[in-house]
Order: sequence, then C-alpha cells, then structure tokens
Amino acid sequence: DAKTTQPPSMDCAEGRAANLPCNHSTISGNEYVYWYRQIHSQGPQYIIHGLKNNETNEMASLIITEDRKSSTLILPHATLRDTAVYYCIVRVSGNTGKLIFGQGTTLQVKP
Amino acid sequence: DSGVTQTPKHLITATGQRVTLRCSPRSGDLSVYWYQQSLDQGLQFLIQYYNGEERAKGNILERFSAQQFPDLHSELNLSSLELGDSALYFCASSPAGRDRGWNTEAFFGQGTRLTVV
Repeated sequence: DAKTTQPPSMDCAEGRAANLPCNHSTISGNEYVYWYRQIHSQGPQYIIHGLKNNETNEMASLIITEDRKSSTLILPHATLRDTAVYYCIVRVSGNTGKLIFGQGTTLQVKP
Repeated sequence: DSGVTQTPKHLITATGQRVTLRCSPRSGDLSVYWYQQSLDQGLQFLIQYYNGEERAKGNILERFSAQQFPDLHSELNLSSLELGDSALYFCASSPAGRDRGWNTEAFFGQGTRLTVV
C-alpha cells in the first residue's frame, strides 16, 4: 500500500486559504488520492478525490503534481468550522475499495 | 447527514460481555466497512462486506465478527470484551462494487462509542 506523509499540525487564519500538503511518493499509476476530514470524533467526512488531474468541488480543490508523488488540498476560505483532522489517503488498489487512514493533519483555524 | 445510520450511539458494558453494533448503509450501497478508533490507534480498518459476503479483512480480533444481511444492514459483534476494546466504532458504506468500480467515495456514520468498564 502506498504510504502518505502529512504534517501533524497546521494553523490557518479564518478567511484565508488553507493549503494542506501530502506526500505519497510510492503511489502506483492506478491509485487514487482521497481526502477526508474528521471533526472532533464525528464520522469522517469525504472531501474530494482524484487520480492525476486537478479536481474542484464545493468544499475544496485538490492539486496533484505531475509526477503524482504529492498533492495539496486547498480550502479556499477557511472558517472556524473547518477545524478538524484532515486525512490524505491513497486508495488501496484491488477490488475492495477499503480506505487505510494514517495520522492526518490537525488543522486549527484561528479567528 | 451521510445517510449511514449506526445504533446505538453509546454503549457501556462490563468486561467479558458481548455486544452487537448495528449499521444501516445508504440506500443502494452494497459495500459496508467497519472501523475502530481508539485514542492511541487512530482509525483502524476492521472488515468489509460486499453484498452479503466478506470482501476484505483488516486488523480484526478473533473475538470480533461481523455479518451483512440480505437487506444489506450489517452487524459487528464484539465478545469477551476487554477494557482495551473501548473505542469509537464507525461504519461506512459505499456504492463501490462490480458495477460502479471500487474507486468511489465512502460515507461514514456517526459511530458507536463503546465503553467497557
């Protein structure tokens, strides 16, 4: 399984963009990058996923480098409610779809 | 609201006992995943069921078992409980499968908080 490396914690000012990095240098060509977040012991919430192209939805943007060895999740205008643990996951290849979570990045949005 | 329902929300039981956690997936989702989250272990994948059959197994103890019923709801059975089994247990469902492919998002319930005393 491709492993991911994320900084353990980050701060962001309210209203500013939050850029959360993730390294996945051993990713295989057919493995997707997923982002989830968990707000204070609630169930993890899906944010976005992508294979090699940049992706955007109503929550965030995902920028994947051309070599696919790293990616960045961008929350364009962070609010206090975005304070959470953010998980970058490389989806296990194979016929299961299971997600293997790492330690994630604790994002603290400050007023 | 993810559409995944877990019951009960909280459960307190004694060591040595057996409990059953229930998960109702989103309508139409064939895949169900169980996860355990304890303070020192993070989110650990336990087991997956797809359309009634076990599909993948993770770090699930032999004292734990699961099943998925014909109506697609799933139950996680935990027996001979120990203090260390105290944790949040999450269920997730996904439309992943043979028709949709396996790279689809999974949606998590709000979890069952199990406390073993």
